[in-house]
Amino acid sequence: DTGVSQNPRHKITKRGQNVTFRCDPISEHNRLYWYRQTLGQGPEFLTYFQNEAQLEKSRLLSDRFSAERPKGSFSTLEIQRTEQGDSAMYLCASSLGAGGKTDTQYFGPGTRLTVL
Amino acid sequence: GESVGLHLPTLSVQEGDNSIINCAYSNSASDYFIWYKQESGKGPQFIIDIRSNMDKRQGQRVTVLLNKTVKHLSLQIAATQPGDSAVYFCAEWKSSGYSTLTFGKGTMLLVSP
Repeated sequence: DTGVSQNPRHKITKRGQNVTFRCDPISEHNRLYWYRQTLGQGPEFLTYFQNEAQLEKSRLLSDRFSAERPKGSFSTLEIQRTEQGDSAMYLCASSLGAGGKTDTQYFGPGTRLTVL
Repeated sequence: GESVGLHLPTLSVQEGDNSIINCAYSNSASDYFIWYKQESGKGPQFIIDIRSNMDKRQGQRVTVLLNKTVKHLSLQIAATQPGDSAVYFCAEWKSSGYSTLTFGKGTMLLVSP
């Protein structure tokens, strides 16, 4: 257990529904990241936050994807109007945030989304 | 384009053997390389990292080697145990631009008793 928690662990939804996932990072970590992982592939970066500021979101897969971290603690990832192609594992990671230095990311267990 | 990739998708070893998992990278600007282990149904778990100005780094039962000349990274696991069975990813990070990781596809390590 890395200390990063994600809820729910599994989500099954019907195409067209909206879903929201939550990530609670390690408490002293300033940076929070979202990744998507499909079967047999490595995690694919989506977006990240430095405290409450979303510093990079160009990798979000479409405008149906959005993320927030309103108080610089937990974060949510929302997918609107889900499609079957959104089925994947959604991973959250956090790190201390050490400027330009190496900054180890610790991953949560992920939320597995299945869109029917 | 620039990428991080792995040579072998599956590696099968006997318990007690030493395992070597390889990774090729193409971005010579990367500053930092990391190995993650991912067990079924879990998120990636940090194993060991190495900075680009190093050739070798050792941890507990694991060693990472970096050969910048041929852009090759390897993870050596000594005395492999059944609990080492997992998918192993190498990832690269560079300090310019936004701070994130680029992962390769992964190698599955299967350890039989």
